[in-house]
Amino acid sequence: QVHLVESGGGVVQPGRSLRLSCAASGFTFSSYVMDWVRQAPGKGLEWVAVIWYDGSNKYYGDSVRGRFTISRDNSKNTLYLQMNSLRAEDTAVYYCAASEGGATFDYFGQGTMVSVSS
Amino acid sequence: IVLTQSPGTLSLSPGERATLSCRASQGVSSNYFAWYQQKPGQAPRLLIYDTSSRATGIPDRFSGSGSGTDFTLTISRLEPEDIAVYYCQQYGDSPPRYTFGQGTKLEIK
Repeated sequence: QVHLVESGGGVVQPGRSLRLSCAASGFTFSSYVMDWVRQAPGKGLEWVAVIWYDGSNKYYGDSVRGRFTISRDNSKNTLYLQMNSLRAEDTAVYYCAASEGGATFDYFGQGTMVSVSS
Repeated sequence: IVLTQSPGTLSLSPGERATLSCRASQGVSSNYFAWYQQKPGQAPRLLIYDTSSRATGIPDRFSGSGSGTDFTLTISRLEPEDIAVYYCQQYGDSPPRYTFGQGTKLEIK
């Protein structure tokens, strides 16, 4: 069965960087589009970034474009999110999600919390 | 595209029928519309994709319908375990981007 496990969250000061990872198992990782979706405390869901099956295409939400970078290593079945120039408004639970067709989020991990605070 | 869900909160009794609405600011492809359930303290879970197809393991009490700008999630017979926030979501492909509604909180009396 599909298993997604995020890691790398924590407390970081504004302006600093953090790298999240998502370890995937139970499915053919390279056959899925992968995303990051976040949820600020008490708020709704916000799409962050998507990466195509082979990493050839990457797209970002308006609020993170130019600061965050999504990547994947299909040999390690792992998804990454490099987050630079972090702001207080980036505070959220970050979920990785797998999508077979690219249009919906078929599976979510349990999430990792990122808190940006001085 | 902006997705607006209504009502914000829905309070019903077990066995009742729940109707959740999602309205898009522009027309949405039916192939690119989905619903998710997020129970308290849990990650979201895909319920409905392509407007009306149930995801794996989702009971047939859940159904989706709609087209264009108006979409509906119906839960035919509420059970206490259905307490959750429900989100609609659409996908636009030029360039790829994903939008969620703000959510409808379902409470069971």
